[in-house]
Formats: sequence, structure tokens, C-alpha cells
Amino acid sequence: NAGVTQTPKFRVLKTGQSMTLLCAQDMNHEYMYWYRQDPGMGLRLIHYSVGEGTTAKGEVPDGYNVSRLKKQNFLLGLESAAPSQTSVYFCASSEDRDGGYTFGSGTRLTVV
Amino acid sequence: RKEVEQDPGPFNVPEGATVAFNCTYSNSASQSFFWYRQDCRKEPKLLMSVYSSGNEDGRFTAQLNRASQYISLLIRDSKLSDSATYLCVAKGSNTGNQFYFGTGTSLTVIP
Repeated sequence: NAGVTQTPKFRVLKTGQSMTLLCAQDMNHEYMYWYRQDPGMGLRLIHYSVGEGTTAKGEVPDGYNVSRLKKQNFLLGLESAAPSQTSVYFCASSEDRDGGYTFGSGTRLTVV
Repeated sequence: RKEVEQDPGPFNVPEGATVAFNCTYSNSASQSFFWYRQDCRKEPKLLMSVYSSGNEDGRFTAQLNRASQYISLLIRDSKLSDSATYLCVAKGSNTGNQFYFGTGTSLTVIP
């Protein structure tokens, strides 16, 4: 049982480049989330999904887009990367809206 | 005001000691609370939920004080393996029904 798998684990982008982070979960969870974690800021919610085909904005959605075409996958896109998007990105899933989260191992993104 | 606030520490305690962390939250209507543990350069992992009546899991005890809007985590008989950052989580006061994470409290257990 893999839980939540994120790819890639590390990436370096140049300013203006685009990329997609993939999150896959095998627990049949309805809810999926994308967070970023920065020193002194804690985990901040970027976007989330309450089920296949749905997405919603979180606390810091600007500069990111998401899609949930399949229940098990939640994609996070950066259309035009900026140095301010240098961060560690975590995907998480939960069975219901009030349940605890299972996190993926994270993606360390550096934008130069 | 932040939705969830924690003392960042660090807390440095000897093995076998008892240590407690508090965390305050701003949404008085929040019904769901958790403690997570995060090791250095790893993902957060769910440690325990926090129930209204308080709950215990081995050496760990979580409590909720609604009147003062804080949750606490007590660790008894600290082990070296307890060294980590502990994150508290509560529902926020906005309409998105989102969970908010504290910035974490760092614990180092010293031999």
C-alpha cells in the first residue's frame, strides 16, 4: 500500500518555465490537497479537491492551477514559475472533510 | 491574527522527561483538531486527533480547552525518537472549511 505518492521529488526550474507536479493516492480518498511549506510560514493550502472533477482555491492559490480528472490523481501546475514559488510542496489526501491527512513525501522545488 | 499559533521552541529536554506543548486557535467554532509530527526534511505524519474529553495514546496525551481556545500535547517519558517538530491543526474561521496548520514546535530529546 503506497499511500500518497508525489513526483518528482526534486526539481530546479528557471523563472518563467512551467511544470506539473503529480500526486497519486491508492486509498480511494475523496479529498485531496496541495500545500506549500516555507520556513516560518508553516503549511499553507494552495488548492484542494472534494472529489473527482472538482477543485477549489485555498489560502494561497495565485500562480497555480490544479486538475482532478481521476479520483486517484491530483495535479498541480505552475504556468510561469517565479522565485517566490521556491518551496517544498506536499500533497495530502483524506477520507472525509474532517479526517486526518495522509501526506506524500514532498517535492522540493527551486526556481532560479 | 494567525488561525493557529504555536511556540516554535526549541524545547530541549533530557530523556525520560515530560514535556508539554500548547497551541492556540482563533476559530471558536472549530470542531476538529489534530497533532502531527514532522521529522526533518520529511512529510508530516498524523500523531493523534484531539477529542473534547481529551485522549491518550501511550505516552502521548492530547487535550482541548474550548474556553481558552487552545489544545495541548503532553509527552511523558520522552525518548530520543520523539525528537521532531510537532504541528497542531484546527479548522479555520473562513468559509472554506479549511484546516490550518501551526508553524510547529521543535523538540529535541537529549541523551
